[in-house]
Amino acid sequence: AQSVTQLDSQVPVFEEAPVELRCNYSSSVSVYLFWYVQYPNQGLQLLLKYLSGSTLVKGINGFEAEFNKSQTSFHLRKPSVHISDTAEYFCAVRSVTGGGNKLTFGTGTQLKVEL
Amino acid sequence: ETGVTQTPRHLVMGMTNKKSLKCEQHLGHNAMYWYKQSAKKPLELMFVYSLEERVENNSVPSRFSPECPNSSHLFLHLHTLQPEDSALYLCASSPREEGGETQYFGPGTRLLVL
Repeated sequence: AQSVTQLDSQVPVFEEAPVELRCNYSSSVSVYLFWYVQYPNQGLQLLLKYLSGSTLVKGINGFEAEFNKSQTSFHLRKPSVHISDTAEYFCAVRSVTGGGNKLTFGTGTQLKVEL
Repeated sequence: ETGVTQTPRHLVMGMTNKKSLKCEQHLGHNAMYWYKQSAKKPLELMFVYSLEERVENNSVPSRFSPECPNSSHLFLHLHTLQPEDSALYLCASSPREEGGETQYFGPGTRLLVL
């Protein structure tokens, strides 16, 4: 079984400032890691994913995340945010083997970008 | 546009009503999912269908009944719901059940049970 912890329920930040959204996971097996974004009144959209290889993963809209196996973390970063980045961000994991394509999600982090 | 559509987008129903949620994907995927999204809680996986067969049922109450008539369509039939069932119901699809394939989500149906 896996679990995902997103400690920050809300993160306010000014436009053009950098931001980091934290994600920690717990799993007894190897996992794939994902970040999804949900804009108001919309479904979830994939930002980026880590399957294997380089631990630094680049995604859409200028976001990137770094997989740290020793710290079981997959924090999401953006060097300069825009008003349009205001949304809810979800971290998710799934087992590399077994368990089908079942994703386990965190509770989400609401990013609010202010002028 | 994710290629996954859901209807209706909003639904209000009484506890004695029967209604159905519909999901349709035009991405050629063969795995489809129902999730429940409640405020301040992680997304809860409800059902998984792979090649039109149900492969997972996460202890969902029987008042929720899924149906997958073909690989492009997924329904969630609702009857005698409770107010705590009010939530956003999200449908998703993916190319196949195994692997690191991305799940593509629809916009959801916002359900309110009175």
